[in-house]
Amino acid sequence: AAGVIQSPRHLIKEKRETATLKCYPIPRHDTVYWYQQGPGQDPQFLISFYEKMQSDKGSIPDRFSAQQFSDYHSELNMSSLELGDSALYFCASSLINLGSYNEQFFGPGTRLTVL
Amino acid sequence: QKEVEQNSGPLSVPEGAIASLNCTYSDRVSQSFFWYRQYSGKSPELIMSIYSNGDKEDGRFTAQLNKASQYVSLLIRDSQPSDSATYLCAAGGSQGNLIFGKGTKLSVKP
Repeated sequence: AAGVIQSPRHLIKEKRETATLKCYPIPRHDTVYWYQQGPGQDPQFLISFYEKMQSDKGSIPDRFSAQQFSDYHSELNMSSLELGDSALYFCASSLINLGSYNEQFFGPGTRLTVL
Repeated sequence: QKEVEQNSGPLSVPEGAIASLNCTYSDRVSQSFFWYRQYSGKSPELIMSIYSNGDKEDGRFTAQLNKASQYVSLLIRDSQPSDSATYLCAAGGSQGNLIFGKGTKLSVKP
């Protein structure tokens, strides 16, 4: 079965640079979530999109923005990178419908290292 | 603030034993609960979801939910060394996002 695809898998950036992470959800899934997981931490919710509209916002810094495109893929844009942004970034997708309890399936993640 | 609490472990069990993982949550509005398994450096993998009070079994895994006590648990029967991982308990938030606990590290000794 097709899974969530994320690219790139690894990314190394310098402080103050920008980064763009991409996520391709499971086919026919209509909702995308972004999570950040620091070393030894649990995943923290950043932002989500349902049917290409932002549906919820968590602990996403103002330096970050995201969008979902017409083909349902999503991009997380990160600017003015800081050392503390080094983390694993996961995208998850789900299919929202009546009676669904929103099972989310995670992609392999992008490991971002800021030097 | 909505929270999910887990014992961080590590929990060590011998091969073939039952591993019992526990979780409590603070938000009574939460209706859905999930257990994810995460190997080091890998992504969370959904292993169980539960929405109703009682037990739900899937193979060697049994999830239990008690909404009155705001308590969720996961039992792993016949534990295998390959079950060694961090187990994340998550509650569904009001907007669909997941609220994770900090995870319990399980070690199954051969």
